[in-house]
Amino acid sequence: SQQGEEDPQALSIQEGENATMNCSYKTSINNLQWYRQNSGRGLVHLILIRSNEREKHSGRLRVTLDTSKKSSSLLITASRAADTASYFCATEPGEFWGGSEKLVFGKGTKLTVNP
Amino acid sequence: DAMVIQNPRYQVTQFGKPVTLSCSQTLNHNVMYWYQQKSSQAPKLLFHYYDKDFNNEADTPDNFQSRRPNTSFCFLDIRSPGLGDAAMYLCATSRDQGQRYIQYFGAGTRLSVL
Repeated sequence: SQQGEEDPQALSIQEGENATMNCSYKTSINNLQWYRQNSGRGLVHLILIRSNEREKHSGRLRVTLDTSKKSSSLLITASRAADTASYFCATEPGEFWGGSEKLVFGKGTKLTVNP
Repeated sequence: DAMVIQNPRYQVTQFGKPVTLSCSQTLNHNVMYWYQQKSSQAPKLLFHYYDKDFNNEADTPDNFQSRRPNTSFCFLDIRSPGLGDAAMYLCATSRDQGQRYIQYFGAGTRLSVL
């Protein structure tokens, strides 16, 4: 079953505004990641937050994690038109095989930043 | 630059005609993944390789096969494509140590089935 669920499904804002996307998941996790996907392209890793971390920053990105609520949020500050993309959270469901973890992606939030 | 390369970017095939999608990587990662992504949906894992060990997802149709002849290359074979197989196919890699949870994706191959 799907692990991550993002909301909103779509978000439209003006350049310069902040964008907040949320992700909820169902089982305990070791870490949670956020990826970006430009239209018709592959996914690009943005940031990883471990289960023992509550907040992490990377440039204009701020990610929070609340393991008690099984939720995470991605904040993009001072958005730009180039931030227009779909954003996915990804969690590993606790299975371990070989040497790497399997990721389960949420349905994503489609962000449009209008110039 | 080290990267994951998928060819072709766009592939058109006929209903029932076998098609092969390819993926190569210069990252020297042990693990390679194939995902299927339909419009406005999450990527869905089809299978993955850890080195040469193949791991199939339980709900991946038998119509989908994969080959990994060496570390750098991985192929996705669709034996008899149906209309429902039209999708974006994404290849990804990850390492088995260090930041091993992070996956690196190719640009994808968009498959159309006529």
